[in-house]
Amino acid sequence: NAGVTQTPKFQVLKTGQSMTLQCAQDMNHNSMYWYRQDPGMGLRLIYYSASEGTTDKGEVPNGYNVSRLNKREFSLRLESAAPSQTSVYFCASNFQGSNTGELFFGEGSRLTVL
Amino acid sequence: ILNVEQSPQSLHVQEGDSTNFTCSFPSSNFYALHWYRWETAKSPEALFVMTLNGDEKKKGRISATLNTKEGYSYLYIKGSQPEDSATYLCASTRYNTDKLIFGTGTRLQVFP
Repeated sequence: NAGVTQTPKFQVLKTGQSMTLQCAQDMNHNSMYWYRQDPGMGLRLIYYSASEGTTDKGEVPNGYNVSRLNKREFSLRLESAAPSQTSVYFCASNFQGSNTGELFFGEGSRLTVL
Repeated sequence: ILNVEQSPQSLHVQEGDSTNFTCSFPSSNFYALHWYRWETAKSPEALFVMTLNGDEKKKGRISATLNTKEGYSYLYIKGSQPEDSATYLCASTRYNTDKLIFGTGTRLQVFP
């Protein structure tokens, strides 16, 4: 049971380049999330998906797009990377509606934009 | 957007001390409050998810309480150990939304 898997773990981009962060979960969770972590800022929600086929903006969506490809996969795309998007990105999932609803996190993807 | 706040930002205690942190959140349309433990270079791991006013949950030396009417939760650690050193995050969500919004965390360091 892999849990939540993110790829790549590390990436260096030049300003203006595009890339997609991939996330997959094998726990049959209905909700998936993308967060970014910056020093002193905690975890900030970029986008989330309550179920397959739906996505909604979080706190800091500008500069990002997402796709909930199916129940397992939720990708985050940077169309034109900017240095301000240098961060550690975490994907997470949970089963909303359960008694716990706790989030399960991936290991994080460290992105540097030069 | 929810405004979830945690205090203090950081805390240094001696091994054996007991300590507590605060998480405050908007009480209107409250649905759930989460606590996570986040060790350096790892991913956050869930400690508790609480939904009912007056809830108290315990896991070993760590416990949490919830007051949904006034919008706060306390996390207690009894007899802190060096392995308790981590950042403790809380997050809250409201009814009719799946947005889980985090506070900035309390960073705990326990010295031997």
